[in-house]
Amino acid sequence: NAGVTQTPKFQVLKTGQSMTLQCAQDMNHNSMYWYRQDPGMGLRLIYYSASEGTTDKGEVPNGYNVSRLNKREFSLRLESAAPSQTSVYFCASTQGYEQYFGPGTRLTVT
Amino acid sequence: GQQVMQIPQYQHVQEGEDFTTYCNSSTTLSNIQWYKQRPGGHPVFLIQLVKSGEVKKQKRLTFQFGEAKKNSSLHITATQTTDVGTYFCAGPGGTSYGKLTFGQGTILTVHP
Repeated sequence: NAGVTQTPKFQVLKTGQSMTLQCAQDMNHNSMYWYRQDPGMGLRLIYYSASEGTTDKGEVPNGYNVSRLNKREFSLRLESAAPSQTSVYFCASTQGYEQYFGPGTRLTVT
Repeated sequence: GQQVMQIPQYQHVQEGEDFTTYCNSSTTLSNIQWYKQRPGGHPVFLIQLVKSGEVKKQKRLTFQFGEAKKNSSLHITATQTTDVGTYFCAGPGGTSYGKLTFGQGTILTVHP
C-alpha cells in the first residue's frame, strides 16, 4: 500500500496562475483533509471531506477550492495564486482517529 | 473555534538531556493526539490519549493527559539525535468526525 500520495512534490507559480494539487489514498478511508503548514503556524486546515460527495471549509479556505472526485481522490485548486499561498501543503486521510499524511507539496508563488 | 496552544516554540538540547513540550486548551478536550514531523518530512501519528489523568509510555517518550482534560505533555528522556523534529499536539476540531485542530508545534534540536 502506498498510503497517501501527493503530486507534485514541488511547484513554482507566478502570481495569478492556477494549479491543482492532487491527493490520493489507497486505505479506503472516508475522510480526507487539506492542510497548509507555515513556519510558527502549525498545520492549518483548508478544506476537508468527511465522506465521498461532501466537502466543507476549514480554518483558512479563502483562495482555494476542492473536489472529492471519488473515495480515493481529493484535489485542491488554486484559481489565482498569490504570494501569501506560498506554503507546504499536506493532504491527510482517516478512518478512525489517526490521520495519515501524504509527503507534501512545497509551493512557491512569486 | 477551539484553539490548542503549544509551548515552547523551540527547544535546543544537548544529547542526553530531557525534553518536554506542553499543550493547553481553554476548553475540555475529549481526546488529544500527538504527532512527530521529521525535518523535511510529514507528520506521523504517535499516540492518542482519551482518559483524564492518562499516562502512556513509548520507550523514552511519556505522554500525559491532564486531570481536567485541558492540557497534555510529551516528555522525552535522554534525548537522542533521532528525536530531532517538530512535535505537534492536536485536539478535536469540531463536530465533524476525525477533524483536528493542531497546536503550533515545538521544534526540537538535539546537539550531539
